[in-house]
Amino acid sequence: KNEVEQSPQNLTAQEGEFITINCSYSVGISALHWLQQHPGGGIVSLFMLSSGKKKHGRLIATINIQEKHSSLHITASHPRDSAVYICASQKLVFGQGTRLTINP
Amino acid sequence: DGGITQSPKYLFRKEGQNVTLSCEQNLNHDAMYWYRQDPGQGLRLIYYSQIVNDFQKGDIAEGYSVSREKKESFPLTVTSAQKNPTAFYLCASKVQGAVDTQYFGPGTRLTVL
Repeated sequence: KNEVEQSPQNLTAQEGEFITINCSYSVGISALHWLQQHPGGGIVSLFMLSSGKKKHGRLIATINIQEKHSSLHITASHPRDSAVYICASQKLVFGQGTRLTINP
Repeated sequence: DGGITQSPKYLFRKEGQNVTLSCEQNLNHDAMYWYRQDPGQGLRLIYYSQIVNDFQKGDIAEGYSVSREKKESFPLTVTSAQKNPTAFYLCASKVQGAVDTQYFGPGTRLTVL
């Protein structure tokens, strides 16, 4: 079992839908990163959070350190949100990624 | 503009040849990292360097070598000993010691023919 697990591995939705991607980890961490990898391969850091919730535009990330769980939500999803979303612990252990496809 | 550059974006090599992937950053970050990404798998750490002239093996260092002669540069050599070198390689950097965001380069896709 990986230290950091994501679900689902693949997610396809229609434009406008509310999206949730989950990340759970088996070791204690103090912070978690959410990253976005575009089809060309480039990676952008979305959030680094250690507690509670952070919001940036249509993206919301939450974390519960005690339950070892984090979620990334996308509201009013758009085809340009199509990418691979990766969570990683602050010790740089990466989840396997969730491939999100938003259809128009 | 500050950032990380990797070159080239696509690289093709014949089996048995060594190849060196470039990673340069002008963010004044102490720590630099090399990751490998394979389809359906998470990023796996190859090597990392926390300071100039020092580097440590990651989880999958066999068949790879690195150097860190300058703060700005952390080249990765994929040697002929690496059994499955075809992959997407990502370089990253961050401020050493901080629980901070890593900055990633655009990646190099290496294909060994």
